[in-house]
Amino acid sequence: QQQVKQSPQSLIVQKGGISIINCAYENTAFDYFPWYQQFPGKGPALLIAIRPDVSEKKEGRFTISFNKSAKQFSLHIMDSQPGDSATYFCAARGTSGTYKYIFGTGTRLKVLA
Amino acid sequence: EAGVTQFPSHSVIEKGQTVTLRCDPISGHDNLYWYRRVMGKEIKFLLHFVKESKQDESGMPNNRFLAERTGGTYSTLKVQPAELEDSGVYFCASSVDRGPSVADTQYFGPGTRLTVL
Repeated sequence: QQQVKQSPQSLIVQKGGISIINCAYENTAFDYFPWYQQFPGKGPALLIAIRPDVSEKKEGRFTISFNKSAKQFSLHIMDSQPGDSATYFCAARGTSGTYKYIFGTGTRLKVLA
Repeated sequence: EAGVTQFPSHSVIEKGQTVTLRCDPISGHDNLYWYRRVMGKEIKFLLHFVKESKQDESGMPNNRFLAERTGGTYSTLKVQPAELEDSGVYFCASSVDRGPSVADTQYFGPGTRLTVL
């Protein structure tokens, strides 16, 4: 039973455009929402993360928007570059006991030069 | 600082055989996690060690999977006997442990791609 739903499954964006990836969660007992970026042959690497008491976090060209009431959060990549082409995973961490992450299904982003 | 390493990078085995995957976490990281991604699906949690103790093994699919973390350092994940549905990429991740109120970054290894024929 998946608790974090991610869309779209794949995304093609022109260089310089904005890439937007959306995630929705069902369980309110999450306290941390990281986004991971994965290049082929590599493991996922933390890109940016947010806590639910903040509505937006920006780091360079990457921004997370968080809507607690709607249980949704999204990743925006401004001025997308071919080097951003990768698979992106959203995740959520539970508040009780273990620190395990619940991941979305991933979005394959391709930025055209 | 060396990252999380995993061995082997690829493994192809026949159904019914045994495979052992190894993970070496970042030095000093007490938390160690195993995850698995089946083709096109989410990265799914398998289990979590704190040092040598299993903190949460709720994601382990069945008793064909056995994870160990001897001495709180490296960890192994053994699948015996392997089935077709065990195919996927197995990731290991590690993090420091500063308590539940701190969201410490989980650092992932490159994964082991397991193919069961």
